[in-house]
Amino acid sequence: DTGVSQNPRHKITKRGQNVTFRCDPISEHNRLYWYRQTLGQGPEFLTYFQNEAQLEKSRLLSDRFSAERPKGSFSTLEIQRTEQGDSAMYLCASSLEVREQFFGPGTRLTVL
Amino acid sequence: SQQGEEDPQALSIQEGENATMNCSYKTSINNLQWYRQNSGRGLVHLILIRSNEREKHSGRLRVTLDTSKKSSSLLITASRAADTASYFCATDSQNFVFGPGTRLSVLP
Repeated sequence: DTGVSQNPRHKITKRGQNVTFRCDPISEHNRLYWYRQTLGQGPEFLTYFQNEAQLEKSRLLSDRFSAERPKGSFSTLEIQRTEQGDSAMYLCASSLEVREQFFGPGTRLTVL
Repeated sequence: SQQGEEDPQALSIQEGENATMNCSYKTSINNLQWYRQNSGRGLVHLILIRSNEREKHSGRLRVTLDTSKKSSSLLITASRAADTASYFCATDSQNFVFGPGTRLSVLP
């Protein structure tokens, strides 16, 4: 247990539905990252926050994806109008400045 | 293309042997990190090496960094079955880009 938690751990949804994932980072960490990982691949960067500010967003992230970190603590990642290609493991990580990242267990999304 | 590229993609060794994995990257970095991921689990940070360091040790792990060749290696000595996992390198440029990983299998 790294101290980073993610909920839910698994989500099955039908194509076209909206889903929201939550990440609770280590409390003193100011940076929070979201990644997507598919089978056999490394984590793919989606976006990151420094405190409550979203500083970077991958070009791979379509307009259907949005992330928030309203009080600089927990974060949510929402996917609207899900597609089958969104099926993946969504990983959250936190760090203190630009140091080692501590990853949560991930949320596995299956879009039917 | 990915910033970090691990090599080999897969490695199978006997328990007790050493395992060496390599990572190449493309742009300048401040630090490079190695992570382990067991099947279906999140990533676990193993070791961070800064750009001004050439070698770092942590238990049975030894990491080297050659910034002139833009490459790093991870050596696991006296491997155990529990070391079976995927290993990833990540650089701090371009918002932590991970390679596809090396899948290590340690056979008992």
